[in-house]
Order: sequence, then structure tokens, then C-alpha cells
Amino acid sequence: DAGITQSPRHKVTETGTPVTLRCHQTENHRYMYWYRQDPGHGLRLIHYSYGVKDTDKGEVSDGYSVSRSKTEDFLLTLESATSSQTSVYFCAIQPGDSGANVLTFGAGSRLTVL
Amino acid sequence: QQQVKQSPQSLIVQKGGISIINCAYENTAFDYFPWYQQFPGKGPALLIAIRPDVSEKKEGRFTISFNKSAKQFSLHIMDSQPGDSATYFCAASVSSGTYKYIFGTGTRLKVLA
Repeated sequence: DAGITQSPRHKVTETGTPVTLRCHQTENHRYMYWYRQDPGHGLRLIHYSYGVKDTDKGEVSDGYSVSRSKTEDFLLTLESATSSQTSVYFCAIQPGDSGANVLTFGAGSRLTVL
Repeated sequence: QQQVKQSPQSLIVQKGGISIINCAYENTAFDYFPWYQQFPGKGPALLIAIRPDVSEKKEGRFTISFNKSAKQFSLHIMDSQPGDSATYFCAASVSSGTYKYIFGTGTRLKVLA
């Protein structure tokens, strides 16, 4: 997980409360991603960023928003958490150079919504 | 067309045996096929990857076999060890634009000592 840090690593919250997960990288990579991991579903893309203030939706973006004001930070916000958003969230980074496809993941943030 | 189908969902292998995990895709634009290994409590980590210009890639005990015409690729773990017990994900991406990965649903491998 060198070069990529997720915080918090664990969080328990109640339905209806806002939650923000943070991803911080020291690799100066262009692309950053947020995935959620659930049993039977593998890794599903929530949102991604291809540069500062440039973001787009993934396949499961409903109920989530993101922001990237600096190259190194990518924030995932649940405006009003629901129990269906209980999951393990992974941030990933990618250089973005031609041919440099390697996706590197953080250690994950486990979120429980009661 | 964007799906990557992975099987089996779980796999139990004896120590020293061969573990085989299969993936199939539909989108012929995919040109990069990595496998990720994930241990409990950790993030997935790149294990091995292949591009469609070769049919096989080997790194130590891990081999990817790639069949372009069938749109299938598989991971073979030779001489499987208890330390290989983990969840394995296949993925596919296009080497242009945003390089988004499409992941399979994962295979939980348990190697018995």
C-alpha cells in the first residue's frame, strides 16, 4: 500500500448521517478511483477522477459524490448514509501514461451503516 | 458487453496441486488482462498481467493462459501452497482513455496443508 493512504480505516455510523472517506496519494498519479467490494459482486467502480476537478461516474454512483481539489487527494462522500452502503471501500491510483495500466489499491475503509 | 465473468466462486485445493481460475469477456476492445490477489484485510495487489499479443505468460508458479478467439483467460497456480490462500480477481481494461478496469466477481481459494 505504499504511496496510497485511506482514512478512516474503520467507521460505524447511523443511517442518514453524512460520511466522507479520504484517499491520499504521494505518487503524483493522474487517475484515482473509488471502488466498493461486496460479497458476490467483486469490485465495483463508484466514481473516478482523471485530473484535478475532473471526475466521472462509475457503475454504482447513486448516493455518492466525489471531489478532487488537489492531485493527491480524492474524497468520497455519502451525503446521507444508508444500510445498503455498508461495504468495504477501496481507493486506487493509476499513472495514466500510455501503456502504464497498473492499478494500485489502498488498504480499504470498512464502513458500517446501522 | 462490459462484463467479465469469473469462475469458480470458491476453490479448495490440496497443497502441491494445481489451482485453475477462469474468466471470460465480451468486449473485444479489452487489451490488458491483469489478475489481482487479495489477502483478508488487505487491498487487492497485482499478481500477473497479460496483453492479447501473447497466449501465455508465466511468473514463477503463476501462469496466465489467454485464448483470444474464445475471449477467455485463466490463471494457473502450480504447486499450490497454503500461503496462496486468498481471493483472486481477474480484470480487463482498454489501454486508452481512462483505463477503467472491469473486475470479475472473485474466487476464494483455500489451499489445504
